[in-house]
Amino acid sequence: QVQLRESGPGLMKPSETLSLICTVSGDSITNYYWNWIRQPAGGGLEWIGRVHINVATRYNPSLRSRVTMSIDRSKNQFSLHLNSVTAADTAVYYCARDAFKSSFDYWGQGTPVTVSS
Amino acid sequence: DFQMTQSPSTLSASVGDRVTITCRASHSIGSELAWYQHKPGKAPKVLIYKATNLENGVPLRFSGSGSGTEFTLTISSLQPDDFATYYCQQYLNYLYNFGQGTKVEIK
Repeated sequence: QVQLRESGPGLMKPSETLSLICTVSGDSITNYYWNWIRQPAGGGLEWIGRVHINVATRYNPSLRSRVTMSIDRSKNQFSLHLNSVTAADTAVYYCARDAFKSSFDYWGQGTPVTVSS
Repeated sequence: DFQMTQSPSTLSASVGDRVTITCRASHSIGSELAWYQHKPGKAPKVLIYKATNLENGVPLRFSGSGSGTEFTLTISSLQPDDFATYYCQQYLNYLYNFGQGTKVEIK
């Protein structure tokens, strides 16, 4: 069974760089597209970006200047780095899989990130 | 600029009601649309992919229709477990975009 699990810092200060890791089990990270999605409190879902082992990484244009995603094949993980965070980046962050169906069929449980001074 | 418009933003309904939620795209997206159910504290769950395909394990009371710019999610007979927020999500030009969400509340 495919499972995704996010890990991250929880609490951050403004201007720091957010680093999150998604660990995948039950599937190889070399398959499919792997995504980050977030939801601020009281808000809707926002797609952040997509990474694939062989295909160009894609980012939400609104976040592109601050985001980097990568894959660690040896650990079956993928990561998100978001620099210069502000309170507006406070959200629950999810990782999710797109099995080439243009949709997200497996999700992590979500990890909350709070940016506060 | 590409826009997704989901309506209504809130919907009050009773158990057994037929419920319809609509998503409109500013440009044609073919069939590249999915629907999700989201409950507080849980990850979103995909219900429909490629506009009309029911994801494995999703009850048959859920159905999706449409193509191009107008899409619909229908719940044929609302059940107590269906009170949640629903999102559409499109895929166009290698990018994904969610609608604003529809909260289905108990009438």
